[in-house]
Amino acid sequence: DAGITQSPRYKITETGRQVTLMCHQTWSHSYMFWYRQDLGHGLRLIYYSAAADITDKGEVPDGYVVSRSKTENFPLTLESATRSQTSVYFCASRTGDNSPLHFGNGTRLTVT
Amino acid sequence: EDQVTQSPEALRLQEGESSSLNCSYTVSGLRGLFWYRQDPGKGPEFLFTLYSAGEEKEKERLKATLTKKESFLHITAPKPEDSATYLCAVQAVYNQGGKLIFGQGTELSVKP
Repeated sequence: DAGITQSPRYKITETGRQVTLMCHQTWSHSYMFWYRQDLGHGLRLIYYSAAADITDKGEVPDGYVVSRSKTENFPLTLESATRSQTSVYFCASRTGDNSPLHFGNGTRLTVT
Repeated sequence: EDQVTQSPEALRLQEGESSSLNCSYTVSGLRGLFWYRQDPGKGPEFLFTLYSAGEEKEKERLKATLTKKESFLHITAPKPEDSATYLCAVQAVYNQGGKLIFGQGTELSVKP
């Protein structure tokens, strides 16, 4: 089925480790986004991409790295995980600049 | 600074008891206002987009309206399956790349 898929669904890692969250969409949407969702903060934008090889920082980019070599994939890497990065991470995509965002089902990341 | 505030934080209704959720926003030129529904353990699901003051959109028991400062999500005769967190997000005119700013959501519980 077409859609947006995130993996893994759950991940536990230790402080200091590198971890990569995967996001794949089958719609060929131009725009892709990474948000984190925390109690008391709602959804906050980490990074976004307007097209392959074009990425830009969002509201909370520190400690994260993204790449987009192919339109359909937008992985998010935590270079050295910290406990403050414990969160639920959502990937989203949209076809155009003002069209609705479509979200994946999230990755729940716990950093111990 | 662009801002989105949703109220109330939580709302408990009896089945059939109509009510409204509020989304107040401050943005330098509104390009679009989006409503989403989020079920536990899932990503937000798109409901409506509103673009200009006076616009209304309806879907089943839900009706969204927009003024220059706020949007309302009216729920008519709710059912238990309407229980979810409802999120509001805005996109500013100047916001290239389509970044959305989200409110913290209203958690709706409908009891039979």
